[in-house]
Amino acid sequence: ETGVTQTPRHLVMGMTNKKSLKCEQHLGHNAMYWYKQSAKKPLELMFVYNFKEQTENNSVPSRFSPECPNSSHLFLHLHTLQPEDSALYLCASSQEALAGGSEQFFGPGTRLTVL
Amino acid sequence: EDQVTQSPEALRLQEGESSSLNCSYTVSGLRGLFWYRQDPGKGPEFLFTLYSAGEEKEKERLKATLTKKESFLHITAPKPEDSATYLCAVPEQGAQKLVFGQGTRLTINP
Repeated sequence: ETGVTQTPRHLVMGMTNKKSLKCEQHLGHNAMYWYKQSAKKPLELMFVYNFKEQTENNSVPSRFSPECPNSSHLFLHLHTLQPEDSALYLCASSQEALAGGSEQFFGPGTRLTVL
Repeated sequence: EDQVTQSPEALRLQEGESSSLNCSYTVSGLRGLFWYRQDPGKGPEFLFTLYSAGEEKEKERLKATLTKKESFLHITAPKPEDSATYLCAVPEQGAQKLVFGQGTRLTINP
């Protein structure tokens, strides 16, 4: 595997379900990010992890819970979501968390549908 | 508040018809401007980073330029496979996040 991978690629869940999204980067980077992309809206940053420590939470509701066990893996745990949470969830990584404006590399995304 | 505005929102061109996409930004102390290409249902693909006014970067039919207030992505003699949404982004002042524009959806007709 190369670059940034995400699983699953598609997920349909009910509002009472609990599910997790997984991201893995094979680039040797130290920073990882979760973004949400809704139709007709700009990419929206959710969380930033730098060297496994969460350094930014962009006012994300608590029904989204991130986990970063090491610099290569990032999870997004989902529970009691709302239909408006349906979106493309993108993971990205960079050498470090934008200290000098380092490029971010994105995974293919998970298309989430909440019924 | 730091902002990134892209124009036009959508652009249709004939194959071979050159044009430019615009990205204007309001952020002090620019620490880089990034261009990405995004195909439907996929993650953004990194294209270029520009750091200072006057800088230019090229890749195949694409050339990105930067001034103090905006960046242009010039596409020369485009082909249908250049059809995609093109995104630009800048690091937000004092924060560890990128501010993205809403993108330009480019369609190249054969």
